[in-house]
Formats: sequence, structure tokens, C-alpha cells
Amino acid sequence: DTGVSQDPRHKITKRGQNVTFRCDPISEHNRLYWYRQTLGQGPEFLTYFQNEAQLEKSRLLSDRFSAERPKGSFSTLEIQRTEQGDSAMYLCATADSYTDTQYFGPGTRLTVL
Amino acid sequence: DAKTTQPNSMESNEEEPVHLPCNHSTISGTDYIHWYRQLPSQGPEYVIHGLTSNVNNRMASLAIAEDRKSSTLILHRATLRDAAVYYCILRDEAKTSYDKVIFGPGTSLSVIP
Repeated sequence: DTGVSQDPRHKITKRGQNVTFRCDPISEHNRLYWYRQTLGQGPEFLTYFQNEAQLEKSRLLSDRFSAERPKGSFSTLEIQRTEQGDSAMYLCATADSYTDTQYFGPGTRLTVL
Repeated sequence: DAKTTQPNSMESNEEEPVHLPCNHSTISGTDYIHWYRQLPSQGPEYVIHGLTSNVNNRMASLAIAEDRKSSTLILHRATLRDAAVYYCILRDEAKTSYDKVIFGPGTSLSVIP
């Protein structure tokens, strides 16, 4: 257990539905990253927050995806109008500003039917 | 970002040492070599990192070639719990701000009882 928690751990949804995932970081970590991982591949970067500011978004993050980190604590990742291609593991990682060693949560596995 | 090359898969017998190689011929002077591993159904976890000198911690050892174009992660006695995908990653520590982790496909390590 790294101290980073994600909820839910698994989500099954039908195509076209909206889903939201939550990440709770290690309390003193001001940096928060979201990654997506498909089967057999390494995680791919989606977006980054420094405190409450979203400083970078990957081109993988289409208009259907939105992420927030209100008050610089927990973060949410929302996918609107889900598609089957969105099926993946969504990983959250947090880090402090000194080492930037990233600690990953267990991930949320999304299955879109 | 500089790239790394790793074998797709390796096997080891339980309780024997494992040497996981990584090539990074285009490494720059400020790139640190990081290793993460990902156990089944979990998020990646940090293992070790180094710049030029060999490094040891409770999880593993990192041996870095003198020219820094390759490195080897050493697990001294493989256990069944070490079966995971191991990622070798370069991170530019000269960056003063955040740095997303760019994962390749990694090496899938199987441990045989």
C-alpha cells in the first residue's frame, strides 16, 4: 500500500454513459498525475496537477475527458459518453516537489460494454 | 526523451539472482536511471534509481555501466512475489519542474518455483 487510494477499483459501464474516478493522494504530495494503461502496455501519461492547477494535458485526453483537483487535495477524472476504446486501467500517481518519486495507486479498471 | 530498450520477458528460478538488463545509448548527462515494477493487478511501484554509481536498497541493486549506456537491475534472490513487469526509465533531473514518467513495455519477469 503506497498511501495513494483510488475509487472505485473496478467499473463496468455501457457505451455512452459517463463515469467518474477519484484519487486520494498522500497528504503532503502536491503533485498528481493521471495515467492510462491498456493490456500489455506500459502506462501512458494523461494529465498533471501541481496543487489545484492542471499544468499539462496529453493529446490522449480528448474533449470527453476532464480532470479536476479542487483545493489541491483529491482529484477526479471524468469520462463522458464512454466508448469501448476507453476500456483500460486508469492510474493515479502522486509525488512531492523535492524528489518527484511517483507513488502509484492501485488503479481503476474500466470496462466499457 | 531518451529511450530505453529492455527484453520483453525473462525467466528465473526461485531463490536465484536475477539480472534485468536495460540499454539506454542516448542517455544524457542529467538523466537518472529509474526502475519501477508492476505486480499483477497493481499500480507501478518505485524500485530504485541512480546516476553514475551503483546503488543498493532493500529491494534491489542497480549496476550502471561506466559509459552509462546500459544498466542492470539485480534482484539478489528471486521470490515468487517478484514476478512482475519491470520498467527501466530515464528521468531528467535537471528539470526544475515536474517530469511525467514515460513507460515502455518493460520486461515481464516470471519466477519458477
